[in-house]
Amino acid sequence: AQSVTQLGSHVSVSEGALVLLRCNYSSSVPPYLFWYVQYPNQGLQLLLKYTTGATLVKGINGFEAEFKKSETSFHLTKPSAHMSDAAEYFCAVSGRDDKIIFGKGTRLHILP
Amino acid sequence: DAGVTQSPTHLIKTRGQQVTLRCSPKSGHDTVSWYQQALGQGPQFIFQYYEEEERQRGNFPDRFSGHQFPNYSSELNVNALLLGDSALYLCASSQTGFGPGELFFGEGSRLTVL
Repeated sequence: AQSVTQLGSHVSVSEGALVLLRCNYSSSVPPYLFWYVQYPNQGLQLLLKYTTGATLVKGINGFEAEFKKSETSFHLTKPSAHMSDAAEYFCAVSGRDDKIIFGKGTRLHILP
Repeated sequence: DAGVTQSPTHLIKTRGQQVTLRCSPKSGHDTVSWYQQALGQGPQFIFQYYEEEERQRGNFPDRFSGHQFPNYSSELNVNALLLGDSALYLCASSQTGFGPGELFFGEGSRLTVL
């Protein structure tokens, strides 16, 4: 079985500062890991995903995440926050069965 | 190319009633997954349909049922509605065999149960 824990339901950063959203996972098989973003009144959009291979994954809008098996983590980062990054971010995990399990989400606030 | 479309976008029902939500997948996609997103929570997996069969199911009661049609569109049915069923219901489509996890989501159907 798979599960995801996102640390911090709300994170605030200043515009131009580093964004770090934390995610830890549990999986009984080698996981596939994802970050999705949800803007108000919209569905979810895939930011990036890790399947196999390179552990540093680059996504859209300047985001990246690093898979650390020893720490069971898949934290999302962006070097410089922009006002348009304000949204809800969901970490998710899947085994080999195409069922994707989402965390509870982290709302990112950008301070001017 | 239309993405995932869901209908209706909003609806209000009373306890005990039944509801049907509809989803058309992105062109070329053959798999549809349904999620329930309560306010302030992450999406919870309800079930997934492929080749008109339920392939995976989450921890939801039998009041939640679904269907997939030959054109890959799908319906979610909820019977005997409870107040706790109030949520945003998200449909996501994908193409089986093209790698894991790239779900394309619709904007959801917001159900309010009074």
